[in-house]
Amino acid sequence: KAGVTQTPRYLIKTRGQQVTLSCSPISGHRSVSWYQQTPGQGLQFLFEYFSETQRNKGNFPGRFSGRQFSNSRSEMNVSTLELGDSALYLCASSPQDIGNTIYFGEGSWLTVV
Amino acid sequence: EDQVTQSPEALRLQEGESSSLNCSYTVSGLRGLFWYRQDPGKGPEFLFTLYSAGEEKEKERLKATLTKKESFLHITAPKPEDSATYLCAVLGTALIFGKGTTLSVSS
Repeated sequence: KAGVTQTPRYLIKTRGQQVTLSCSPISGHRSVSWYQQTPGQGLQFLFEYFSETQRNKGNFPGRFSGRQFSNSRSEMNVSTLELGDSALYLCASSPQDIGNTIYFGEGSWLTVV
Repeated sequence: EDQVTQSPEALRLQEGESSSLNCSYTVSGLRGLFWYRQDPGKGPEFLFTLYSAGEEKEKERLKATLTKKESFLHITAPKPEDSATYLCAVLGTALIFGKGTTLSVSS
């Protein structure tokens, strides 16, 4: 069974631009969550979607947004990029509730220059 | 406020030298504790889920245990391929990760 798929794997953007990252969850999984990982802060929760609805949101500015489609695929968007947004963005999926074990994708490496 | 602290930050072992990694937590209403392994440049790989104090789970050379305040990941007779960063996460009202323990095993 295929794992969580994230695209693109690597990207470089300029300050002020915006970026969209995509995530395809494991087949049958309805919950998708997003995380930002940096060397200094570790893994930080961005938001979680279930059945196209955002159920939980972490402590990130409104420049970070996401959505989930009817097929459970999800996208996250970061607008007005800042240098500090450079990070590994990880998507994870779980069968129903975030209380279940979550399975991560390989991540999207974003570099903002 | 829910918190997760992992120690040590880094651990160097010789092949075959057993040790334990610690994950201390404070959470209002633990709904689950998770251990992951992360290799450089990759996403975290799921290892274990523990739900209640006293629970233990094993997989190959790894064994995870849980008390009301902490969890341990015991590594028995490690091999160089066990070198990675081990992450602990607790689920209360939200899923919170520790900063991880980077394990290096030399032959």
